[in-house]
Amino acid sequence: GQQVMQIPQYQHVQEGEDFTTYCNSSTTLSNIQWYKQRPGGHPVFLIQLVKSGEVKKQKRLTFQFGEAKKNSSLHITATQTTDVGTYFCAGRRSGGYQKVTFGTGTKLQVIP
Amino acid sequence: DSGVTQTPKHLITATGQRVTLRCSPRSGDLSVYWYQQSLDQGLQFLIQYYNGEERAKGNILERFSAQQFPDLHSELNLSSLELGDSALYFCASSDARGVAFFGQGTRLTVV
Repeated sequence: GQQVMQIPQYQHVQEGEDFTTYCNSSTTLSNIQWYKQRPGGHPVFLIQLVKSGEVKKQKRLTFQFGEAKKNSSLHITATQTTDVGTYFCAGRRSGGYQKVTFGTGTKLQVIP
Repeated sequence: DSGVTQTPKHLITATGQRVTLRCSPRSGDLSVYWYQQSLDQGLQFLIQYYNGEERAKGNILERFSAQQFPDLHSELNLSSLELGDSALYFCASSDARGVAFFGQGTRLTVV
């Protein structure tokens, strides 16, 4: 079955440092979504990428979808304590109806 | 507020018991998903319903079952509970883009 892996599993950064999480799928995806789960909270949708090579920005967050549509990344510039949480990617396999598969998640800790 | 409502928020029960978790999706969403999240773990997909029909199945135990009713709310039934079933159970509904909106979750503690 489809597997979606994220690295790293955990990341501690000093406030102000940059952070990147990578998402890799075993199969080609029709789209990729990113979610953020704050500690004690539920996952919240951040963004969806659909096109090969697509790059989208939300303030300090930059999302990228790979050319082969099998990987994606989320980069946060100058982290803040409000960025703390677990970031999940979620991908839907290409071809017909396919369920969304969530990645393993990257837990980000920001040290003030 | 995502628009997805889950009840109860917390549940404490003994091993061997059976519980029912309830989810009301966002207005207009036909798909409902159930996920299990153990402490500090990822989201384990259990099952998906679309307009009352089972659409996809994940690693759902035989002791677990779910259904979606004509009014689109869904219930997840967990029976013969074991200590290892203690987890957060999330329900989500998705819009036409396939974007998932999660409820607040039900924290199940089996003692």
